Amino acid sequence: QSGLTQPPSASGTPGQRVTIACSGGNSNIGSNFVYWYQHLPGAAPKLVIYRNNQWPSGVPDRFSGSKSGTSASLAISGLRSEDEADYYCAAWDDSLSAWVFGGGTKVTVL
Amino acid sequence: QVQLVESGGGVVQPGKSLRLSCAASGFAFGNYAMHWVRQAPGKGLEWIAVISYDRTNTYYANSVKGRFSIYRDNSKNTVDLQMSSLRPEDTAVYYCARDVSNWNSYVEYWGQGTLVTVSS
Repeated sequence: QSGLTQPPSASGTPGQRVTIACSGGNSNIGSNFVYWYQHLPGAAPKLVIYRNNQWPSGVPDRFSGSKSGTSASLAISGLRSEDEADYYCAAWDDSLSAWVFGGGTKVTVL
Repeated sequence: QVQLVESGGGVVQPGKSLRLSCAASGFAFGNYAMHWVRQAPGKGLEWIAVISYDRTNTYYANSVKGRFSIYRDNSKNTVDLQMSSLRPEDTAVYYCARDVSNWNSYVEYWGQGTLVTVSS
């Protein structure tokens, strides 16, 4: 089952801006919304962006999402130590009739 | 608040079956679709299945189609994942998750997960 493509890692110092890319195809990102989840080890994953660029209640606006064509990105501005986690993009795939995830990007705060 | 608590994980031999359960609380369970998602050791998230609020619709990932089945009991606020013909590659933490709507919109809330190890 084909998934979405993310870089394995990203890093930045406190206060910096980090951007994570997510690449897909016409049947997933190209025709559906993109969602982003934050996952700390041993914890339940948490939704941080829905429908490309919307914030769930309680998520700071330091997190922002965008989409263009078959690619999407998550940006974290004003990086903080508590942002250190794995981040996953997800989208519905019309060809597979299934949700597909990216492989995850580990964000490290230096 | 929304709580999802998975149970039923453990060690199982290849080819055997196992049933996971997820107990939901803090919301009107019968109004929401439910998902199962897994994460193999050292790997990313993999979506497994979704069931609509009224059990009439389901979708499965190709990797589990024909082997896994998702069920729900709205009177007990539970959603189960029946897994059969288990393979070593099914070893993973299995997460129960709630959709934002009564059918397949997107996952909004997740449980803490339960570990399934398929090994002889």
